[in-house]
Amino acid sequence: AQTVTQSQPEMSVQEAETVTLSCTYDTSESDYYLFWYKQPPSRQMILVIRQEAYKQQNATENRFSVNFQKAAKSFSLKISDSQLGDAAMYFCAYGGGGGADGLTFGKGTHLIIQP
Amino acid sequence: NAGVTQTPKFRILKIGQSMTLQCTQDMNHNYMYWYRQDPGMGLKLIYYSVGAGITDKGEVPNGYNVSRSTTEDFPLRLELAAPSQTSVYFCASSYMGADTQYFGPGTRLTVL
Repeated sequence: AQTVTQSQPEMSVQEAETVTLSCTYDTSESDYYLFWYKQPPSRQMILVIRQEAYKQQNATENRFSVNFQKAAKSFSLKISDSQLGDAAMYFCAYGGGGGADGLTFGKGTHLIIQP
Repeated sequence: NAGVTQTPKFRILKIGQSMTLQCTQDMNHNYMYWYRQDPGMGLKLIYYSVGAGITDKGEVPNGYNVSRSTTEDFPLRLELAAPSQTSVYFCASSYMGADTQYFGPGTRLTVL
């Protein structure tokens, strides 16, 4: 079974600074998807960014980018120019094996933005 | 386009009671999922469906049942509620199996 590990329970960053959230995963599959979801206090799960494993190019969405290292099974999220609205829980998730059996989530990282 | 909707948003049950959590999506997705999120944890899969009439167990199915009679609806049934079922429940749907899942707003359930 796949596992997803987020080793940072909590991170803090100054507004306008850059922060990187870590995620590692374990799989024997070669074709899969990786995701970062944001969960603000409203508890809504919001997709931040998506990476297809067969693509070598790292995904980017405005201030959010990933560092995808397939051989190392690492998938970190970089948030540039942090804003107060970025404060939330961030979950790394793995989708593979055809995906019919859902995503595998890490335990999350609580991101605090210091004004 | 409402996406994924869930009702109710909050519910308190007594031990032994039963209830159904409703989930509807209007994106014509074949894949639908139910997850639970316990405090300080990520989401764990309860049940999933790959299309109308087809359902299967996820990681934590005990104490729950599902049905999928239409593409749009995927209700989750709790029988004989127990305190261990206190959690936040999320319904999600996706176009393809391993790809992006779209989540409902969640239901916070407390069993006392």
